[in-house]
Amino acid sequence: QVQLVESGGGVVQPGKSLRLSCVVSGFSFSHYAMQWVRQAPGKGLEWVALVSSNGDEKYYADSVKGRFSVSRDNSENTLVLQMDSLRPEDTAVYYCARRNSDYFDYWGQGTQVTVTS
Amino acid sequence: DSVLTQSPATLSLSPGERATLFCRASQSVGGYLAWYQQKPGQSPRLLIYDASIRATGTPARFRGSGSGTDFTLTISSLEPEDFAIYYCQHRSNWPLFTFGPGTRVDLK
Repeated sequence: QVQLVESGGGVVQPGKSLRLSCVVSGFSFSHYAMQWVRQAPGKGLEWVALVSSNGDEKYYADSVKGRFSVSRDNSENTLVLQMDSLRPEDTAVYYCARRNSDYFDYWGQGTQVTVTS
Repeated sequence: DSVLTQSPATLSLSPGERATLFCRASQSVGGYLAWYQQKPGQSPRLLIYDASIRATGTPARFRGSGSGTDFTLTISSLEPEDFAIYYCQHRSNWPLFTFGPGTRVDLK
């Protein structure tokens, strides 16, 4: 069955970096664009970043542009989100999700990122 | 970019009742709208896409409708497992994506 498993979350100080990973199984990873979506405590969903199926195209929400970088390794079925210059407002649960057409049909369980001094 | 608003913010109902949730876009999104369900401590789950098509595994009591700027998610008869938060979502300005703020359906 389809599985997406995130890891790499934790507690970090403002200005520091964190690298999230999402390992997928159960489908042809290289055929799908993938994204990151986050959810701040008690808040709604915010789309963060997208990477195309071959990794050539990358797009970011304005709130993270220039600080976050999305990438993928299709040989390892792994999606990565490199987060630099973290801010307290980046505190959230980060989900990886598979893009299917214009929607997100499979989601991981999420990984918590907390930015605090 | 099209902004999504959802109403009501909270809907308090009893099992067996009908739930009607609304999602409005600030500009036409055609028929490209999805609905997601999120239960506490869980990741979101795709329920409806292209405004009215049920995703795999979505029960028939969930019905999506609408086009352009006004969309509705109807749950014909609430089951205990349906009490959750529901988000609408649109591809606002390709390839960017927008979510609505959500409607909480809770137990009356």
